[in-house]
Amino acid sequence: EAQVTQNPRYLITVTGKKLTVTCSQNMNHEYMSWYRQDPGLGLRQIYYSMNVEVTDKGDVPEGYKVSRKEKRNFPLILESPSPNQTSLYFCASSFRDRNTGELFFGEGSRLTVL
Amino acid sequence: KNQVEQSPQSLIILEGKNCTLQCNYTVSPFSNLRWYKQDTGRGPVSLTIMTFSENTKSNGRYTATLDADTKQSSLHITASQLSDSASYICVVSAGGGADGLTFGKGTHLIIQP
Repeated sequence: EAQVTQNPRYLITVTGKKLTVTCSQNMNHEYMSWYRQDPGLGLRQIYYSMNVEVTDKGDVPEGYKVSRKEKRNFPLILESPSPNQTSLYFCASSFRDRNTGELFFGEGSRLTVL
Repeated sequence: KNQVEQSPQSLIILEGKNCTLQCNYTVSPFSNLRWYKQDTGRGPVSLTIMTFSENTKSNGRYTATLDADTKQSSLHITASQLSDSASYICVVSAGGGADGLTFGKGTHLIIQP
């Protein structure tokens, strides 16, 4: 089954404790992206990757890091989480020409930073 | 700045009734417009993707229209069901470049029995 898998789905952590949210897709997509979704603000792009070893900042990259060492994986790293990073996070993927291709989303990871 | 505005922000209708959601955009250049359905706590799922030359596209009880001249789109839901309760997000693609997708904030639809 074609899917984008995120882990963990739910996480409560404390300020400053490094964490990684994993994202994996099995559709051989070149393009992968991370979004955060907050009430009243909609989906906002954090980072994206057009292919292996190629990453770029989105609209709200501060406080986040990403890596793309393999085509199927695109982890989101919070080196020192802060309460304002409490949010619902989504990973998405599509074929490289993403502006005409369908974007597939994961099920989301709800992060709470105390 | 590219923008996508959706209306209404929220809508409550009775099961079986029809409804129409609106999306106005100021995105240039225009490549395509997508509608996504997002169930509470789940990831968005694509309903339709429409290019410049497409005026209407259907997916079951969902029908999207696009007027590229006025830069407006609508999503019409026919004979609503309880499972239609969700947020509906309009996304417009600028066609290439690093920042190609502009997301609307969504319309929250509640279907009451």
